[in-house]
Amino acid sequence: GAVVSQHPSWVICKSGTSVKIECRSLDFQATTMFWYRQFPKQSLMLMATSNEGSKATYEQGVEKDKFLINHASLTLSTLTVTSAHPEDSSFYICSAASSGTHNSPLHFGNGTRLTVT
Amino acid sequence: DQQVKQNSPSLSVQEGRISILNCDYTNSMFDYFLWYKKYPAEGPTFLISISSIKDKNEDGRFTVFLNKSAKHLSLHIVPSQPGDSAVYFCAASRKSDDKIIFGKGTRLHILP
Repeated sequence: GAVVSQHPSWVICKSGTSVKIECRSLDFQATTMFWYRQFPKQSLMLMATSNEGSKATYEQGVEKDKFLINHASLTLSTLTVTSAHPEDSSFYICSAASSGTHNSPLHFGNGTRLTVT
Repeated sequence: DQQVKQNSPSLSVQEGRISILNCDYTNSMFDYFLWYKKYPAEGPTFLISISSIKDKNEDGRFTVFLNKSAKHLSLHIVPSQPGDSAVYFCAASRKSDDKIIFGKGTRLHILP
């Protein structure tokens, strides 16, 4: 089946530093990738949609200057949390779709646990 | 406003019995529904889906039922096994955009 690799699986960083999270589709080309954030006992909250070669579309309330998304190729999208603060600590998950997600299940990475101290 | 609601945060079921997870939605434009299973510290994995033109879809031990008039769907797992202990997310999508909206999830505990 389709595999999405997310790296790192966990990261601890100091407040004010930036952290980059990578999401790769290993055996298919992902025209669209999604970035989610999950708080404890909460739903998966969609942060942004990235399409290869174009700017990401951010959901309302998500700061695009803080959460930089790059989708430079059909197999790689990155999320950079800039000037991280403790409130950014969360579980970040990427997902990928080879075509439109409607009528197609998403393939998820294993997530990245970010802790900002 | 939650468009996809899973009102039971947790559910405990005896091994071998049927697990029934429920999901309600408010947007009548949703036409495709999915269930995902998630273990701690892992990403969700796709379990089963159903199109709005159907009212039932079965895959092995998993069956999803859709009641469009009630805007309700349910996931049945029978017989329940220890490995089924996980968080189950209900999700819905519509043709007008490619977003998938998730519920908050239900944590299923399978008791020995």
